[in-house]
Amino acid sequence: KNQVEQSPQSLIILEGKNCTLQCNYTVSPFSNLRWYKQDTGRGPVSLTIMTFSENTKSNGRYTATLDADTKQSSLHITASQLSDSASYICVVRLMYSGGGADGLTFGKGTHLIIQP
Amino acid sequence: GAGVSQSPSNKVTEKGKDVELRCDPISGHTALYWYRQSLGQGLEFLIYFQGNSAPDKSGLPSDRFSAERTGGSVSTLTIQRTQQEDSAVYLCASSSAPLNSNQPQHFGDGTRLSIL
Repeated sequence: KNQVEQSPQSLIILEGKNCTLQCNYTVSPFSNLRWYKQDTGRGPVSLTIMTFSENTKSNGRYTATLDADTKQSSLHITASQLSDSASYICVVRLMYSGGGADGLTFGKGTHLIIQP
Repeated sequence: GAGVSQSPSNKVTEKGKDVELRCDPISGHTALYWYRQSLGQGLEFLIYFQGNSAPDKSGLPSDRFSAERTGGSVSTLTIQRTQQEDSAVYLCASSSAPLNSNQPQHFGDGTRLSIL
């Protein structure tokens, strides 16, 4: 069964600190992995998209890494800001669109709180 | 418009009533998705459109749920004889290409549905 597991479920850090969120998946064959940021009361916004051939991708203070061999990804946030408080969702896509949901499997997200 | 627009933003209705939720995707986006998000939970896939056709309806929870898309643009999600367990945020997303490409999904801010 295709699954995406995210950890931790929630995280509280002080403003200015760095943090790393984890995503482990069993989706196979793998096409791409996406990280989304969802602010409270808003829809998710895409941060990064990586294919199996990409090891890292950055978007400002956000850096995603991918190890397709171990089926693990991480999202590193540098010098956190209060506006980083949100849920971060990992989404993995199958190589083929079959299998329901157009081949997308969503993680349940990590709820990040940045304290001043 | 510049982004995915959903209406209404909030809907409160009595159990047993029918509701209709609307999604205006980004102009030119051929793929359109509906998801449901319950409080504190991950995204639950409902249905996917490519153009006006729905190749994947596997996520619709019951026959009370239906969706259509006309003109390859606007989509409506209809819930008949609403139940309290239908209370959730209903999110719509659109994409310019099949998701085995590297194109992201663009989400609206959702309709918050409350069934009394």
